[in-house]
Amino acid sequence: EPEVTQTPSHQVTQMGQEVILRCVPISNHLYFYWYRQILGQKVEFLVSFYNNEISEKSEIFDDQFSVERPDGSNFTLKIRSTKLEDSAMYFCASSEVLRTDTQYFGPGTRLTVL
Amino acid sequence: DQQVKQNSPSLSVQEGRISILNCDYTNSMFDYFLWYKKYPAEGPTFLISISSIKDKNEDGRFTVFLNKSAKHLSLHIVPSQPGDSAVYFCAATLTGTASKLTFGTGTRLQVTL
Repeated sequence: EPEVTQTPSHQVTQMGQEVILRCVPISNHLYFYWYRQILGQKVEFLVSFYNNEISEKSEIFDDQFSVERPDGSNFTLKIRSTKLEDSAMYFCASSEVLRTDTQYFGPGTRLTVL
Repeated sequence: DQQVKQNSPSLSVQEGRISILNCDYTNSMFDYFLWYKKYPAEGPTFLISISSIKDKNEDGRFTVFLNKSAKHLSLHIVPSQPGDSAVYFCAATLTGTASKLTFGTGTRLQVTL
């Protein structure tokens, strides 16, 4: 069964450093998403992406964040200058063009900012 | 932002019995609802969904009921199995766009032997 994959599974970084989280969406999906879950809190939407453009973003997704589809298979989330409060699980998701309501999630990357 | 609420943080059910997980929403614009299951150290796994034009959707042991007037949905698992032990998230969205899913806080289901 096709699945969304994410690397790395765990990333530890120093405050102020840049991190890039990587995702490989399901191959025939064209909508991509990033969500995050701070420990003990709910899963929160960050951004959706289609046709090399951001479709929608939340207020969390400020100038420190960017997304990119650098090639035909990867989808990345970059945090330019990490803060302590960026520590969270980051989930990538993807969906079909005609079924954007049903999103399939990857296993997540645990980001720890020290 | 409390647009989707799951008021029970945990639920314990005996194997073979029915599990009922509840979810309330406040945004009347939501027209599509989903349930996800999440094991520790894994991402949310899509379980079942329902459109606002329906009041029930069934898939094997899982049934989702939607009461639009009460802005309430529930997930029934019958019969419950130990492998169902996980955190269950309710999510809501507005179809027609690449819309964000708005999640509830989750209910931890424990199915005991």
